[in-house]
Amino acid sequence: SQQGEEDPQALSIQEGENATMNCSYKTSINNLQWYRQNSGRGLVHLILIRSNEREKHSGRLRVTLDTSKKSSSLLITASRAADTASYFCATARSYNQGGKLIFGQGTELSVKP
Amino acid sequence: GAVVSQHPSWVICKSGTSVKIECRSLDFQATTMFWYRQFPKQSLMLMATSNEGSKATYEQGVEKDKFLINHASLTLSTLTVTSAHPEDSSFYICSARVPSSGANVLTFGAGSRLTVL
Repeated sequence: SQQGEEDPQALSIQEGENATMNCSYKTSINNLQWYRQNSGRGLVHLILIRSNEREKHSGRLRVTLDTSKKSSSLLITASRAADTASYFCATARSYNQGGKLIFGQGTELSVKP
Repeated sequence: GAVVSQHPSWVICKSGTSVKIECRSLDFQATTMFWYRQFPKQSLMLMATSNEGSKATYEQGVEKDKFLINHASLTLSTLTVTSAHPEDSSFYICSARVPSSGANVLTFGAGSRLTVL
């Protein structure tokens, strides 16, 4: 079953602005990951944050995790038109479950030049 | 590294026929692969976990006789949609765990769009 819920479902911004996407989940997790999907393509891994971490950075990406609220956010700074894609959070309850990831509903980001 | 190749990228078939989708790990061995299904503008739904040399593990509600999975080698998993019907039309994506990630980071194939007429 899908356990990640994301908001907003769609986000439209201008190039140069920041984009923030949120993800909530229901059960305890081992880690939370964010993936990007260009239209009609497979997913690409962006960043992973472990359950004992609160914040992580990678280039223009900033991810936060609040395990008490069971939520995470992905911030893309200084957005570019090439950032236009769908973004999904994914959670895994336990690594011993063989790496099975459950994906959220996704946020469709549109960055206008 | 950790590239997954999926083929075909799109396929159109007549109702009642079977369609096979291949998923290959190109530069690593994958004892486990995951098959997802995605409807337009929706999330990925995990269908099954493909295990090399043993039976696949299907998620609740997924018909194992409908979606046959074979993982005969460490680099190849196949999904066969049997007796396909229009409601099986969807985007199917395979993935495998990135060995060097030290965690359950997945690398994905480019997906296969199936249209059943």
